[in-house]
Amino acid sequence: QVQLVQSGSEVKKPGASVKVSCKTSGYSFTDSFIHWVRQAPGQRHEWMGWINPNNGRTNYPRKFQGRVTMTRDTSTSTAYMELSSLRSDDTAVYYCVRDIRDYFDSWGQGALVTVSS
Amino acid sequence: EIVLTQSPGTLSLSPGERATLSCRASQSVSSSSLAWYQEKPGQAPRLLIYGASFRATGIPDRFSGSGSGTDFTLTISRLEPEDFAVYYCQQYGSSPLTFGGGTKVEIK
Repeated sequence: QVQLVQSGSEVKKPGASVKVSCKTSGYSFTDSFIHWVRQAPGQRHEWMGWINPNNGRTNYPRKFQGRVTMTRDTSTSTAYMELSSLRSDDTAVYYCVRDIRDYFDSWGQGALVTVSS
Repeated sequence: EIVLTQSPGTLSLSPGERATLSCRASQSVSSSSLAWYQEKPGQAPRLLIYGASFRATGIPDRFSGSGSGTDFTLTISRLEPEDFAVYYCQQYGSSPLTFGGGTKVEIK
């Protein structure tokens, strides 16, 4: 079955960067885009962009341009999301999700990133 | 950006009752590109409905979606104990993709 397994929780200081991994299995990694979505405490889910694992092409919404970088390693079927210049309001659960015809059919378990001095 | 407004914020019902959840968009959602997800504490969201009205694989037929344009509805015909959760709508017809704020279905 399709599985997306993410790396564990992280605690970072303001100004630092965090890199979250998402190891996939159960399907052909290069056949489906991977998106990243986050949910801060008390806030709605927020879309952070996608990566096409087939060619590495990315698309980020304006809010995250310049601060987020999505990459992939096809040899291990793993996607990565790096967020830089962290602020306290970046504290959130970060999810990787599989895109199947533009909607999300499988989600990772989530990775809590806490930004605190 | 399309803003999705879900109502009510909380729905208090008993098992066996019918639940009707609303998702209203600030602009028309193209091609009925709207999905519904169920989320339980400590778990990742689960896809229920895509394309406004198509049930995802393995989703019981007590879940149904309807609507188009700016008004969408998720209906749970008879609530089972495992259906008490938070439900989110999401539009994927235009960028940026956006989510609603959620409706919590709780046991009355």
